[in-house]
Amino acid sequence: NAGVTQTPKFQVLKTGQSMTLQCAQDMNHEYMSWYRQDPGMGLRLIHYSVGAGITDQGEVPNGYNVSRSTTEDFPLRLLSAAPSQTSVYFCASSSRPYEQYFGPGTRLTVT
Amino acid sequence: GDSVTQMEGPVTLSEEAFLTINCTYTATGYPSLFWYVQYPGEGLQLLLKATKADDKGSNKGFEATYRKETTSFHLEKGSVQVSDSAVYFCALTPMFSGGYNKLIFGAGTRLAVHP
Repeated sequence: NAGVTQTPKFQVLKTGQSMTLQCAQDMNHEYMSWYRQDPGMGLRLIHYSVGAGITDQGEVPNGYNVSRSTTEDFPLRLLSAAPSQTSVYFCASSSRPYEQYFGPGTRLTVT
Repeated sequence: GDSVTQMEGPVTLSEEAFLTINCTYTATGYPSLFWYVQYPGEGLQLLLKATKADDKGSNKGFEATYRKETTSFHLEKGSVQVSDSAVYFCALTPMFSGGYNKLIFGAGTRLAVHP
């Protein structure tokens, strides 16, 4: 099992550019979510999904879109990148309460 | 809303010293409580959990007890090793999270252990 994988590991964007952060899991987990990690603020939930075709907003959803067409994949889209979106992004998955598995993260810089 | 507050770091210790990282929470009812650890360059890993009052979570020599009366979940280890150097996050899942285990994190505490 690869667990939760994320690509790319690093990305630099210019303001206004768009991109998609990829997340995949091979554990057949129903629940998937995206967090951003900023210094001194811990991790904050951006969007989450409780199954294929079902997504919902978390604490900081503005500027991000998600979709869940398969159980395995949960991409995060930035439609028009802003410097405030400079952060480290983590994808996580879970099959049951109380334990989430995190990917290795994507470090994004927006200039 | 629900929130988690943990002590600011960095915490710097010598090998074999005793570790305490304080964590307090604000939440309705009885949330579930967690400690996650992030080693350099990696994602977060669940270290331990407690799902009801007075539960003690333990793993790899780390322990934390769910104290409802003080709304606390302090992390302790009797003898730290250099390999314990990492960032530790306290987190909770709200009691009424709609069947999905949303996590609310504290800011994280960096631990550096020196030989």
